[in-house]
Amino acid sequence: DAMVIQNPRYQVTQFGKPVTLSCSQTLNHNVMYWYQQKSSQAPKLLFHYYDKDFNNEADTPDNFQSRRPNTSFCFLDIRSPGLGDAAMYLCATSRDSPSSGEQYFGPGTRLTVT
Amino acid sequence: AQSVTQLGSHVSVSEGALVLLRCNYSSSVPPYLFWYVQYPNQGLQLLLKYTTGATLVKGINGFEAEFKKSETSFHLTKPSAHMSDAAEYFCAVTGRGSARQLTFGSGTQLTVLP
Repeated sequence: DAMVIQNPRYQVTQFGKPVTLSCSQTLNHNVMYWYQQKSSQAPKLLFHYYDKDFNNEADTPDNFQSRRPNTSFCFLDIRSPGLGDAAMYLCATSRDSPSSGEQYFGPGTRLTVT
Repeated sequence: AQSVTQLGSHVSVSEGALVLLRCNYSSSVPPYLFWYVQYPNQGLQLLLKYTTGATLVKGINGFEAEFKKSETSFHLTKPSAHMSDAAEYFCAVTGRGSARQLTFGSGTQLTVLP
């Protein structure tokens, strides 16, 4: 089945220690998104890639970076995690077409910062 | 600019009772509307969507929603709640440009009582 895969599902890192979360998709969608979701809140968009074009949200901290080496993979890098970065991180994809619009979400990676 | 308001952050219903989750939106262009469900420690799963055409849309797990332009609403209903419906539900809207971004409501936690 075509899907969005996130690894790992659970990640523990130390305060200030860089961490990378990964996302892959078999849907061949041209748009990929990264969201941060804190407890009992809606997902918050961090940035997205439209093909190779990177689009950062204005309020996304510089501590968060992303890479998309090819259509299938996208990475979220947190350069120096703080306690406030503990959250669920969701990857999503979409196909840009006039009749579409929905995003397909991966299962998420829950990040704990100790 | 788009926004979504979900009335009621917590809704409780008895098993077998009607489920009604409310969503109102504002959008400067005809929107695409979505309902997503999120189970604990999982990603978001698309329940249903409205893009064009019939205003009553049916989704998975017996859910349906009706787009009412005059009321700017897209309420989610299910005739008979099941214990497995207990989850967080998010209403979302997106415009019709390229790389459409989802604007989420704040979510409604549905509890199903035995």
